[in-house]
Amino acid sequence: GQQVMQIPQYQHVQEGEDFTTYCNSSTTLSNIQWYKQRPGGHPVFLIQLVKSGEVKKQKRLTFQFGEAKKNSSLHITATQTTDVGTYFCAGPGGGTSYGKLTFGQGTILTVHP
Amino acid sequence: ETGVTQTPRHLVMGMTNKKSLKCEQHLGHNAMYWYKQSAKKPLELMFVYNFKEQTENNSVPSRFSPECPNSSHLFLHLHTLQPEDSALYLCASSLASGGFDIQYFGAGTRLSVL
Repeated sequence: GQQVMQIPQYQHVQEGEDFTTYCNSSTTLSNIQWYKQRPGGHPVFLIQLVKSGEVKKQKRLTFQFGEAKKNSSLHITATQTTDVGTYFCAGPGGGTSYGKLTFGQGTILTVHP
Repeated sequence: ETGVTQTPRHLVMGMTNKKSLKCEQHLGHNAMYWYKQSAKKPLELMFVYNFKEQTENNSVPSRFSPECPNSSHLFLHLHTLQPEDSALYLCASSLASGGFDIQYFGAGTRLSVL
């Protein structure tokens, strides 16, 4: 079945440093989504990328979708303590279920002040 | 507030107890999901419901029994659980529009099995 691999599993940075997490799929994706889960919280949708090579920005966050639509990245510039949490990528889950997503393992980001 | 409400938020139960988790969505969605999230594992999809019908069961043990009486409500009935079932149980919903769905998660139920 479809797999979505995410690296790294953990990332520790000093406040002000940049951070990047990468997502790779075994199959071509029609779209990819990113979610953030704060410590003690639940996953919250951040963004969806649809087009090949698409780049979207949300303030200090930059999301990219690969040309082959099999990989994606999330880059945070000048991290802040509010950026801590787990970042998940997710692609369509396939199969017969509508709406199903396949989530990556997540990258846990800690930011040291 | 995401429009997906889960109760209870915390639950402690013994291995012989029977309890139920409840999820309610006010978003007009027609797909609902149960996920298990353990400390050392990623999000594990347990069940998928589309239009009240179960469309996916990811080899979940029978001690977990889902119920979806309508598109707005989803339950997870628990009985004779094991300590390794302790985890955060998340409910989510989506519009099920076909491949581009965004999932909205509830706050979760933190379950401890003693």
